Order: sequence, then C-alpha cells, then structure tokens
Amino acid sequence: AQTIHQWPVAEIKAVGSPLSLGCTIKGKSSPNLYWYWQATGGTLQQLFYSITVGQVESVVQLNLSASRPKDDQFILSTEKLLLSHSGFYLCAWSPDWASAETLYFGSGTRLTVL
Amino acid sequence: GDSVTQTEGLVTLTEGLPVMLNCTYQTIYSNPFLFWYVQHLNESPRLLLKSFTDNKRTEHQGFHATLHKSSSSFHLQKSSAQLSDSALYYCALSDRGTGSKLSFGKGAKLTVSP
Repeated sequence: AQTIHQWPVAEIKAVGSPLSLGCTIKGKSSPNLYWYWQATGGTLQQLFYSITVGQVESVVQLNLSASRPKDDQFILSTEKLLLSHSGFYLCAWSPDWASAETLYFGSGTRLTVL
Repeated sequence: GDSVTQTEGLVTLTEGLPVMLNCTYQTIYSNPFLFWYVQHLNESPRLLLKSFTDNKRTEHQGFHATLHKSSSSFHLQKSSAQLSDSALYYCALSDRGTGSKLSFGKGAKLTVSP
C-alpha cells in the first residue's frame, strides 16, 4: 500500500526566515506529486506539481519554490517567509497523469509565520 | 480558465434532514472530470465521489451526485444527514487538457446538529 509522509507536522517561523517542507511517498513508483496551500478558512490552492524527478511546474507564484530531488520526494521551500505564507500545506500524489486526477493527501504541515 | 462555483460558507442542518450542496463548473473541455472531496476537522481532504460520465449517478458512503453536462452541474446529495457528516466539502474539476491541474471550489462547511 502507498503511504505519504509529510514533515514537519507544524512550524512557527519568523518573517524573513527560510522554510523547508517535505514529503515522501512510498509504495508507488513515479507518482505525480503536488503541493497545495490552504489558508485558514480558505480553499485549496495548487502551488506546484511534478510528474518526474527534477521537473516541477509552478501553478501560482507565492514566493515559494519546489523541487523533486528523488522520485519519491517533494520539497517546498523559500528563503524568506512572509506573513501571508501562514496556512496549511498539503502534499498530495496521484497515480496517473492521463486519467481522472484522484488525489491522495498527506497529513499536512501547519505553518504560522509571526 | 476553468472554474468551480459551489455552495459556500456555513451550511447547518438538523440530523436526519437531506443534504444538498450545489456545484457548477465552467470549462472549455467537453469531457471534464468532477470530484467531491471531504475534509473532516484536523484531517486532510479525501476523495468522496468522482465522475466523468454524463447523466450517471455515482454513490459512496450514502452520498450521491450526478454529472449533468447540459447544466454543468455536479450537486452532492444525501437523503439523511448524520452527525458524522459534519465537515468541509469541496467540489473540484479536473482540467485534463492541460494535465494535472485540479480546480477546487471555495468549500462548504457542513454542520449537522442533533
């Protein structure tokens, strides 16, 4: 069975500080990977997606970047956090590029920027 | 671009009453995939229903929805609400033409009271 693990569970960071969030998917080779952001009380906004190692597409510009250094790993980062970065970050995977996009979400990282 | 308009904000029901959450969409693609995701408190979203077949009812866990391409709708229904149905519900649309981009509606927070 496939498992998705996100880290850390929660972060409290200062404005201007760097950030790195990660997720790992086990049990599925070459998954499609996604980063989503959910502001408090807000909808799910797709940030990035990746269909293969080393290839990441940006959907929304929020002064964040993403990388896929390994087939099973997806990293979200920034060098300078803004207050507006606060929220809930979700990593997700889907099994197939061509078929219906059923997403399987990780447990998320709650980020508070002060 | 693609967009999803759904019942938003707070929806409060008494246990036993029917549930109806509206979802309409706009897309240039003739074969969209529609989804309902549910997110319980302090959990990640998970798939509830999906459909790509016109006029065919799809059901899961007591919920059902029918994709109607003629009216661009995919309303979520349940005959009798339960306390455990209290959650955030998101309607989503898959833009298969441009690959992996799932557009979410703004979400509806359903609260079922005794």
